[in-house]
Amino acid sequence: EDKVVQSPLSLVVHEGDTVTLNCSYEVTNFRSLLWYKQEKKAPTFLFMLTSSGIEKKSGRLSSILDKKELFSILNITATQTGDSAVYLCAVWGEINAGNMLTFGGGTRLMVKP
Amino acid sequence: DAGVTQSPTHLIKTRGQQVTLRCSPKSGHDTVSWYQQALGQGPQFIFQYYEEEERQRGNFPDRFSGHQFPNYSSELNVNALLLGDSALYLCASSFGTGNYGYTFGSGTRLTVV
Repeated sequence: EDKVVQSPLSLVVHEGDTVTLNCSYEVTNFRSLLWYKQEKKAPTFLFMLTSSGIEKKSGRLSSILDKKELFSILNITATQTGDSAVYLCAVWGEINAGNMLTFGGGTRLMVKP
Repeated sequence: DAGVTQSPTHLIKTRGQQVTLRCSPKSGHDTVSWYQQALGQGPQFIFQYYEEEERQRGNFPDRFSGHQFPNYSSELNVNALLLGDSALYLCASSFGTGNYGYTFGSGTRLTVV
């Protein structure tokens, strides 16, 4: 059974701090790993990582995948209160010729002013 | 360009009742996937519909059923509601059975009392 584990469960930091969120996975026929930000309801897409060792960046956020060790990290530098959210990691596998996203439990980030 | 639309946004039901949730996919998308997100957890895959058929199913009992219409919209039905069915139900649409353009709706918050 596909499995995704995120750590830490929750994190409280102050504005300006740098945070690192972790995601480890076990999945059959891995295709890609995705990071989402969920503030209230709809998860919003951040990154999709397919190749190992290639960093993806978007402003203060960056992410990298290690396919050998089966994990990914999401870094947020110079955090702002608007970064407060649940960050979800998900992996695409392929089961029985179909496909589905398997999510981790999320990391709840709170950024204090 | 309308995104993924879900209705209703909130509803409250009594144990034992039945509920129907609705999802209209993003324009150009023909595949709908449903997820259940319990409080404090990551989303869990329920099932996926493509060409009006259930293509893949997660570990959910038969009380959870669905339907896809010729216009690609979809319904999720839950019978004999349990307190544990209280959750945010997310719909995601995409093109084909791959992950192209995978987009989440804002969800329906179901409370079972």
